[in-house]
Amino acid sequence: KAGVTQTPRYLIKTRGQQVTLSCSPISGHRSVSWYQQTPGQGLQFLFEYFSETQRNKGNFPGRFSGRQFSNSRSEMNVSTLELGDSALYLCASQPGGLNTEAFFGQGTRLTVV
Amino acid sequence: EDQVTQSPEALRLQEGESSSLNCSYTVSGLRGLFWYRQDPGKGPEFLFTLYSAGEEKEKERLKATLTKKESFLHITAPKPEDSATYLCAVQASGYALNFGKGTSLLVTP
Repeated sequence: KAGVTQTPRYLIKTRGQQVTLSCSPISGHRSVSWYQQTPGQGLQFLFEYFSETQRNKGNFPGRFSGRQFSNSRSEMNVSTLELGDSALYLCASQPGGLNTEAFFGQGTRLTVV
Repeated sequence: EDQVTQSPEALRLQEGESSSLNCSYTVSGLRGLFWYRQDPGKGPEFLFTLYSAGEEKEKERLKATLTKKESFLHITAPKPEDSATYLCAVQASGYALNFGKGTSLLVTP
């Protein structure tokens, strides 16, 4: 069974640009969550999608957005990039219900210069 | 506000020297407590989920336990390949996982 796939693995962007990251969940999983990981703040929740609907949102500015497609694949977008957006962005896949294990992808390392 | 605190921040053990990592939490209505292992440059790897106080789970040299206020990850006779960052997360209301900052474990031969 294939795991969670995130693309690209690495990105370098310039301040002010925008970026789109992609996540393909485990087959059959309908919930996708996104997290930002930085050395100072650790793993922080961005948002969660289930059946194309955002169910939860973390405390991040509106520059961070996401969406989910009918095949459960998800994308997140960051507009007007800032240096502080440099981080490892992780996608987690769950079957959909509460109390179910979340399986993470390898992440996308975003560097903003 | 939900809080998850892991201690110690870093731990260095000799191969074979058993120890425990701590995860203390303050949440309203715990639905699940999760342990993950993360190697440098990789995504977290799922280890255990615990749902109620008194529950225990084991996997190879690892054993996770849960009380009403904290969870322990016991590592018995660790090997160098157990070196990693161990993350604890709680799920309360909603679907988000609230993570602690992690414990960085180094096991030396």
